[in-house]
Amino acid sequence: AQRVTQPEKLLSVFKGAPVELKCNYSYSGSPELFWYVQYSRQRLQLLLRHISRESIKGFTADLNKGETSFHLKKPFAQEEDSAMYYCALRPPGGGNKLTFGTGTQLKVEL
Amino acid sequence: EAGVTQFPSHSVIEKGQTVTLRCDPISGHDNLYWYRRVMGKEIKFLLHFVKESKQDESGMPNNRFLAERTGGTYSTLKVQPAELEDSGVYFCASSRGGNQPQHFGDGTRLSIL
Repeated sequence: AQRVTQPEKLLSVFKGAPVELKCNYSYSGSPELFWYVQYSRQRLQLLLRHISRESIKGFTADLNKGETSFHLKKPFAQEEDSAMYYCALRPPGGGNKLTFGTGTQLKVEL
Repeated sequence: EAGVTQFPSHSVIEKGQTVTLRCDPISGHDNLYWYRRVMGKEIKFLLHFVKESKQDESGMPNNRFLAERTGGTYSTLKVQPAELEDSGVYFCASSRGGNQPQHFGDGTRLSIL
């Protein structure tokens, strides 16, 4: 069965420090991986997807098939990055059902 | 474009009562999804509509939950009768194509007393 694990419920960093939000997945195949973000009082929104290989708001995430990981990184955290971050997986080959992790609350302190 | 809209934003009912949640997807989005997050747990898939047809309802917890999308526009999710464990946040999402990014609504917070 497919599963997404985000080991940290809360991650607290200082402004300007590097950020790494961990995500590991289990799936026997080549799924598509996503990061969604929910800022305070806003709706869940897509941050980035691995097939795009792009940087959004300074965040990047590399799919490591060997380690089955899709960690989210940013070199210098900003106060506005404080939010809830969810890693999600979608199986290949049709269907758009997302499997989410439990989320990590990122708190950027001044 | 207007985003995914969900009504109500919060519902408080007693165990045994019936509640109906509504979702209006983004105009032109044929794909509509329901998810829910029970406190302390992950966001879980409930079901997926393509237009008015149920494409995948593998996540529906039991037969107390009924989802409809008559006419392929808005969707409703009815819980009858509601139980305590149904409390949580119910999210709706829509996408234009089956493999395109999903856009989420604000969610409906359901509290069963």
